[in-house]
Amino acid sequence: AQTVTQSQPEMSVQEAETVTLSCTYDTSESDYYLFWYKQPPSRQMILVIRQEAYKQQNATENRFSVNFQKAAKSFSLKISDSQLGDAAMYFCAYRSARKSLHTGNQFYFGTGTSLTVIP
Amino acid sequence: DGGITQSPKYLFRKEGQNVTLSCEQNLNHDAMYWYRQDPGQGLRLIYYSQIVNDFQKGDIAEGYSVSREKKESFPLTVTSAQKNPTAFYLCASTKNGELFFGEGSRLTVL
Repeated sequence: AQTVTQSQPEMSVQEAETVTLSCTYDTSESDYYLFWYKQPPSRQMILVIRQEAYKQQNATENRFSVNFQKAAKSFSLKISDSQLGDAAMYFCAYRSARKSLHTGNQFYFGTGTSLTVIP
Repeated sequence: DGGITQSPKYLFRKEGQNVTLSCEQNLNHDAMYWYRQDPGQGLRLIYYSQIVNDFQKGDIAEGYSVSREKKESFPLTVTSAQKNPTAFYLCASTKNGELFFGEGSRLTVL
């Protein structure tokens, strides 16, 4: 099974500053998808950003961007101009592009990084 | 509004009792999932279902059971065989390869 590693259990950032959350993964596949999900104190998981492995260009969503290094199997999330509402747990996730009727698309999650935003 | 509804939000049970967590979606998604979340362990897959009347065990299925009689519904039963059932449970569905989550159910065994 694929493994996803988030080596930073906790991070903090000053409001309006930039922070980068790390994620590495292990796979022998060449085609897959990577995700960052946010879980605020309300516990509702929300998709932040998605990256297709076949795309060389790094995904960007407003203040959120990724640094996808396929050869290094690294997928970090950069949050620019941090806001108080960014405080949450952030999970990195992997999904194979292969799909079958019974095994479907399994998602593999890291253990999460708790981000604190300091006013 | 379309979404995934989990109930109850909080649940307490005594040891030895079975409990069923509800998950309903009106997104018309085929695939549905149950995850367990524990501090420091991320999300672990319990069961998933790609289509009605079919489901597969995930990584930690022991002590759990599911059914998928309708596309919209994927209830999870936590049986008395689950040795450490106190956890936060998340239901999800997928569309276009992305996971959509419910708000979760917090189960506490007393």
